[in-house]
Amino acid sequence: KNQVEQSPQSLIILEGKNCTLQCNYTVSPFSNLRWYKQDTGRGPVSLTIMTFSENTKSNGRYTATLDADTKQSSLHITASQLSDSASYICVVSAKLGYGGSQGNLIFGKGTKLSVKP
Amino acid sequence: DAGVTQSPTHLIKTRGQHVTLRCSPISGHKSVSWYQQVLGQGPQFIFQYYEKEERGRGNFPDRFSARQFPNYSSELNVNALLLGDSALYLCASSPGPVYEQYFGPGTRLTVT
Repeated sequence: KNQVEQSPQSLIILEGKNCTLQCNYTVSPFSNLRWYKQDTGRGPVSLTIMTFSENTKSNGRYTATLDADTKQSSLHITASQLSDSASYICVVSAKLGYGGSQGNLIFGKGTKLSVKP
Repeated sequence: DAGVTQSPTHLIKTRGQHVTLRCSPISGHKSVSWYQQVLGQGPQFIFQYYEKEERGRGNFPDRFSARQFPNYSSELNVNALLLGDSALYLCASSPGPVYEQYFGPGTRLTVT
């Protein structure tokens, strides 16, 4: 079964500190991996999207890495800000037609990040 | 350009009632997907429509149905509401089924 596991479930850090969120997946055949930021009660907003051949991608203070061999990804947040408080969701896309009843996007449950002053 | 819009933003219904949620995709996008997100969980795929045809369906009962109109907007209908249907319902649009999806703000449904 296609699955995406994220860790930790929740994380509290102080403003200005760095943090790294983890994502492991068992999705095949793999198409791409995305990280989304979701504020409470709002729709997810895309941070990065990486294909099989990409190892790292940055978006401002957010840097995502992908190891397609071990099927692991990480999202590193540098110099955290209060506005970074949100849930971060890892989403893996299966190639069209292979997602079955899950559709071609398989979502993790997210990591809830709280940045404290 | 406007992003994905959804209406209503909030909705309170009673068990057994039915509900219709609406989604307008980004201009030029022909694919719309619906997701259910229960508090504390990741979104769960419900439906995907492309060019007015159903292209995928998640593990949801037949009480859930959807359609896409000629202007590519979409409706999600849920009949015989249960307490467990309380969730944030997200709509996402994309130019086609394999492209980047852009999410709307969601409709918060509360069933009492």
